[in-house]
Amino acid sequence: GAVVSQHPSRVICKSGTSVKIECRSLDFQATTMFWYRQFPKQSLMLMATSNEGSKATYEQGVEKDKFLINHASLTLSTLTVTSAHPEDSSFYICSARVPLAQQGSPLHFGNGTRLTVT
Amino acid sequence: AQSVTQLGSHVSVSEGALVLLRCNYSSSVPPYLFWYVQYPNQGLQLLLKYTTGATLVKGINGFEAEFKKSETSFHLTKPSAHMSDAAEYFCAVSDRIQGAQKLVFGQGTRLTINP
Repeated sequence: GAVVSQHPSRVICKSGTSVKIECRSLDFQATTMFWYRQFPKQSLMLMATSNEGSKATYEQGVEKDKFLINHASLTLSTLTVTSAHPEDSSFYICSARVPLAQQGSPLHFGNGTRLTVT
Repeated sequence: AQSVTQLGSHVSVSEGALVLLRCNYSSSVPPYLFWYVQYPNQGLQLLLKYTTGATLVKGINGFEAEFKKSETSFHLTKPSAHMSDAAEYFCAVSDRIQGAQKLVFGQGTRLTINP
């Protein structure tokens, strides 16, 4: 149980275009999802917390106008990288936690999306 | 603020040898502690976690970790390495007080297994 699906797994786009990444909780409803970014050979950095039905909470230094997050349903959150530039090339990973789970319950991660901006 | 330090960005062991990946944390109160494994171009898979109770925690794939409050450590071990263990390993903490929402990750340790 507790499967998180992320799509696409890999995308290549041209500089200046926008890319949408989807994150779905397949067998549970996720009121909160988390978006992480991972540069090559580095750790995961939390970008934002996506809340169903409300605005996302962005971490310091993350441009909210560039990384648009929409959490319109209990099973879907989307991250749109707007006007992508080569420096946005990275591995983006979403995660979610089963609601009403005990404190200390783990996050469940999608398989990530490798974005390459040319 | 919480932080996690993984000593050694790259660890290499022989197949069948002991695996030891080190993790130290900094937190005002003992946090929840996690170890995740990441295979190339994939998301993260939970290996094990410590929330409360027994300080020696057993996880999947033969891994275990011991929470040592006095040393603020949560090192990951496996008695005998297997080729399939080659991956990136991340130690992570979350704030117990704030309801364990956000995870703060260490820098990661790449484990290589030599035949």
